[in-house]
Amino acid sequence: DTAVSQTPKYLVTQMGNDKSIKCEQNLGHDTMYWYKQDSKKFLKIMFSYNNKELIINETVPNRFSPKSPDKAHLNLHINSLELGDSAVYFCASSQDGLMNTEAFFGQGTRLTVV
Amino acid sequence: GENVEQHPSTLSVQEGDSAVIKCTYSDSASNYFPWYKQELGKGPQLIIDIRSNVGEKKDQRIAVTLNKTAKHFSLHITETQPEDSAVYFCAAGGGGSYIPTFGRGTSLIVHP
Repeated sequence: DTAVSQTPKYLVTQMGNDKSIKCEQNLGHDTMYWYKQDSKKFLKIMFSYNNKELIINETVPNRFSPKSPDKAHLNLHINSLELGDSAVYFCASSQDGLMNTEAFFGQGTRLTVV
Repeated sequence: GENVEQHPSTLSVQEGDSAVIKCTYSDSASNYFPWYKQELGKGPQLIIDIRSNVGEKKDQRIAVTLNKTAKHFSLHITETQPEDSAVYFCAAGGGGSYIPTFGRGTSLIVHP
């Protein structure tokens, strides 16, 4: 039973397209995150939602829009994809948003923009 | 905000040797220090964590030490095995900030 699942695992698309990545957690956690991991493995926080409300938006272009229909889901929609968006995107969840409990990560979505 | 520095960026050891990864943090209010292991093609996974009221914690071959005065904490892996090869991340939190702060990662390579 996967705790944090995200789909798809791989996504190859052309510049200018719009795409979405879906994430679901079955842990009953209040907080969900999106991270971007670049080729140097650096984990950069993009968004954080607590009980469906946005609490972190870290200097991410407006082309990225998270959507949280309920506490268990946090989807990421990306408009007008650019080459620089190529990276691995991780969804994660934790019991609270104050970074004092374990975060559970999904398996990642490798996005390649060509 | 919190700033976490992690060293080294790459660590290469022979099987059976010990490996040590070090992190420093800036926010004295931080009180939770987890370590995550990321295997190839997978998401990071917690391997051990420590809270500020404890100086050391062990779990089989893995240990973490915390020096609150100096604001640094370390991951120690003894008797390394090839399956320990992965990227390890430290993090600091719990100080009231909502922003998760990770180190930049250490790529550990264990040679058989």
